[in-house]
Amino acid sequence: GQSLEQPSEVTAVEGAIVQINCTYQTSGFYGLSWYQQHDGGAPTFLSYNALDGLEETGRFSSFLSRSDSYGYLLLQELQMKDSASYFCAHNTDKLIFGTGTRLQVFP
Amino acid sequence: NAGVTQTPKFQVLKTGQSMTLQCAQDMNHEYMSWYRQDPGMGLRLIHYSVGAGITDQGEVPNGYNVSRSTTEDFPLRLLSAAPSQTSVYFCASFGEGSGYTFGSGTRLTVV
Repeated sequence: GQSLEQPSEVTAVEGAIVQINCTYQTSGFYGLSWYQQHDGGAPTFLSYNALDGLEETGRFSSFLSRSDSYGYLLLQELQMKDSASYFCAHNTDKLIFGTGTRLQVFP
Repeated sequence: NAGVTQTPKFQVLKTGQSMTLQCAQDMNHEYMSWYRQDPGMGLRLIHYSVGAGITDQGEVPNGYNVSRSTTEDFPLRLLSAAPSQTSVYFCASFGEGSGYTFGSGTRLTVV
């Protein structure tokens, strides 16, 4: 089967660094994506890892280890507006989402 | 460039009624998908399409039908609405290098 597991909730303070982990089981794996969703909004694309290693996009970085079936999203210099739910998703011929992690950033 | 457009934004149905949720994209994307999201939950794939004339089932297809007669449109049909189908429905399309782009969602309540 296909499944992706994430912690349900993470809390941090403004300016801190937080890491959201994602472990997956799948067949026909192409890559791992990350999406952000604010309450009441639609998911928005953050990053995509097709190969092992780190991808950096501004304050956000994403890492993938295919041999460990593991990835993470790293958020630096946290801001209040980063409070949202974050989903990993694996790409095969379709996009399957993880369980989601709710990030709460406190002042 | 409107991206992915979903209509309606809100809908209330009675049990047993049928309806079609509309989804259109203007980015010439081949891949399109429908998801449902229940409160506090992740997104579950209902149906998806890799191009016009081709559709396939996702994780939770029962009670839903789709068709893809054009690249732009991917409607989702509820055959006989049930309270368990109360959810937020998102349509998405995929383009190389840009990830999936989601519509703003349809909030459906079945009473």
